[in-house]
Amino acid sequence: QSVLTQPPSLSGAPGQKVTISCTGRSSNFGAGYDVHWYQQLPGTAPKLLIYVNNNRPSGVPDRFSGSKSGTSASLAITGLQAEDEADYYCQSYDSSLSAWVFGGGTKLTVL
Amino acid sequence: EVQLVQSGTEVRKPGESLKISCQGSGYSFISYWIGWVRQMPGKGLEWMGIINPADSDIRYSPSFQGQVTISVDKSISTAYLRWNSLKASDTAMYYCARMGVTASPFDPWGQGTLVTVSS
Repeated sequence: QSVLTQPPSLSGAPGQKVTISCTGRSSNFGAGYDVHWYQQLPGTAPKLLIYVNNNRPSGVPDRFSGSKSGTSASLAITGLQAEDEADYYCQSYDSSLSAWVFGGGTKLTVL
Repeated sequence: EVQLVQSGTEVRKPGESLKISCQGSGYSFISYWIGWVRQMPGKGLEWMGIINPADSDIRYSPSFQGQVTISVDKSISTAYLRWNSLKASDTAMYYCARMGVTASPFDPWGQGTLVTVSS
């Protein structure tokens, strides 16, 4: 079981908004460690999507946004497009494990 | 352009050894840590370990401690992941990724090295 908990799957129709949750603990998010999000398109390496809770790297559309509060974080995707169909992972640092940790991943299907 | 380029696909038999590589370019190699991440077929991402190329300081995930060895040759900007005795359960895609300070993200990622262990 992952230290960071994500829903295994989500789906949405084109144009809709979806939100992917990532639940952490007092030893990661609760300790002030930031959350980062990665997008993994089928057959490709993960790519940084959101860093330090709510920042987008250059080239990432503003349809993607992130937030973090307490021991939870979330990734929101508005105006869903077919190309957003991918696996999404949250990631942080856990001080009790002294380890970098990933969520189990969420498979997003665009209907 | 900051880039991590990994070595190619490997096929090995159980019990064999293997070393895969990850070469960085487009930045100061010794200024960033390099991490290794495993992705088993159809599964999620697992952090294996991380190395500081400047001084070879290494941190291993407890799940991988003793199972693999991470090393670096900063003279050629290359990090390595080594197995002494492969198992079928080591079959996976392995990614390297660059990281700054402890809480910074992994970015960019290498293209991945597929390792297949089968008799």
